[in-house]
Amino acid sequence: GAVVSQHPSWVICKSGTSVKIECRSLDFQATTMFWYRQFPKQSLMLMATSNEGSKATYEQGVEKDKFLINHASLTLSTLTVTSAHPEDSSFYICSAKGTASYNEQFFGPGTRLTVL
Amino acid sequence: GDSVTQMEGPVTLSEEAFLTINCTYTATGYPSLFWYVQYPGEGLQLLLKATKADDKGSNKGFEATYRKETTSFHLEKGSVQVSDSAVYFCASQVGFQKLVFGTGTRLLVSP
Repeated sequence: GAVVSQHPSWVICKSGTSVKIECRSLDFQATTMFWYRQFPKQSLMLMATSNEGSKATYEQGVEKDKFLINHASLTLSTLTVTSAHPEDSSFYICSAKGTASYNEQFFGPGTRLTVL
Repeated sequence: GDSVTQMEGPVTLSEEAFLTINCTYTATGYPSLFWYVQYPGEGLQLLLKATKADDKGSNKGFEATYRKETTSFHLEKGSVQVSDSAVYFCASQVGFQKLVFGTGTRLLVSP
């Protein structure tokens, strides 16, 4: 099956620093990647959708200047949390879909971010 | 907006017990419905899906039937195993729009 990896799996950083999370499709070309955020005991909430080589489309209420998304290749998307604050602490999950998978998304294992 | 509501967990069962996890949805269009499973340390995996009313999705002994009249898509399994312990997410999607997830239900199966 299609495999999506995320790196790192967990990260702790100081308030005010920036953190980059990578999402890779390992065995398929991901034309579209998605970034989700999950708070404890809450749903996965879509943050943004990115198509390879295009600017990401952000969901309402998501600050595009704070959550920078880059999808420069068909196998890699990155999410950078800029000037992180404790309220940005959360579980970040990416997913990807390719041309061969019709509309099915394949999910990464997630990255837990803790901002001190 | 569209939403998915599923029962809170954790659901704790003994091995070979019958499982039901309730899921209901609201949607402005005609959604496809999904169940995803997340095992510890892994990403969400599609467990089963149904695309129209009265369709039954099934996989690995799990089943769910798309009930338009009750806007429900309850997950069932006749005999759970310890290896089924995981978090289960119900989700809906209208066309190619975004997936809308429920909060997830943790299932714990003891030997």
